[in-house]
Amino acid sequence: NAGVTQTPKFQVLKTGQSMTLQCAQDMNHEYMSWYRQDPGMGLRLIHYSVGAGITDQGEVPNGYNVSRSTTEDFPLRLLSAAPSQTSVYFCASSRERPNYGYTFGSGTRLTVV
Amino acid sequence: GNSVTQMEGPVTLSEEAFLTINCTYTATGYPSLFWYVQYPGEGLQLLLKATKADDKGSNKGFEATYRKETTSFHLEKGSVQVSDSAVYFCALSSIGNQFYFGTGTSLTVIP
Repeated sequence: NAGVTQTPKFQVLKTGQSMTLQCAQDMNHEYMSWYRQDPGMGLRLIHYSVGAGITDQGEVPNGYNVSRSTTEDFPLRLLSAAPSQTSVYFCASSRERPNYGYTFGSGTRLTVV
Repeated sequence: GNSVTQMEGPVTLSEEAFLTINCTYTATGYPSLFWYVQYPGEGLQLLLKATKADDKGSNKGFEATYRKETTSFHLEKGSVQVSDSAVYFCALSSIGNQFYFGTGTSLTVIP
């Protein structure tokens, strides 16, 4: 099925470890974003990309890196995991601009101990 | 700046009751407004949207009208079902490719 695929679904990390959350979409969407979802805080934008080779910071970018080498893939890297990064992470994509509405992945639940 | 404020939850309703979830926004320019729904263990799904003032978005029996004069986009449904139990997010997109979500309102519908 067409859509946004995130891997892994669950992950436990130790403080200080690094890892990459994978996101891939097969809809040829130009616009991709990463959000984190925390109780009582809704979704907060981490990083976004308007096309291959172009990325920009969102509301809460510290501690995360992204790259966009292809239209399909938009990985999120945690450089040195901290307990404050325990959250559910969602990748989303949209045709051109978010005014068209996002398609979300099913999320990655990350716990940092 | 841009922001979205939703009514606090959780909301518990009996089946066939009328639903209203309030949403107000602050934005520069003329944003587009959205409602997303998140079922347990899943990502968010677009429920409906409106791109200009007085537009009404509708889907699956849900409706919301873009009210510029009151900066509101309240979600309504005339008769809820158990399958409507989910978390509902109001959101806006503004110039500069930014998307802003409310904190979400949890709805539980009991038979």
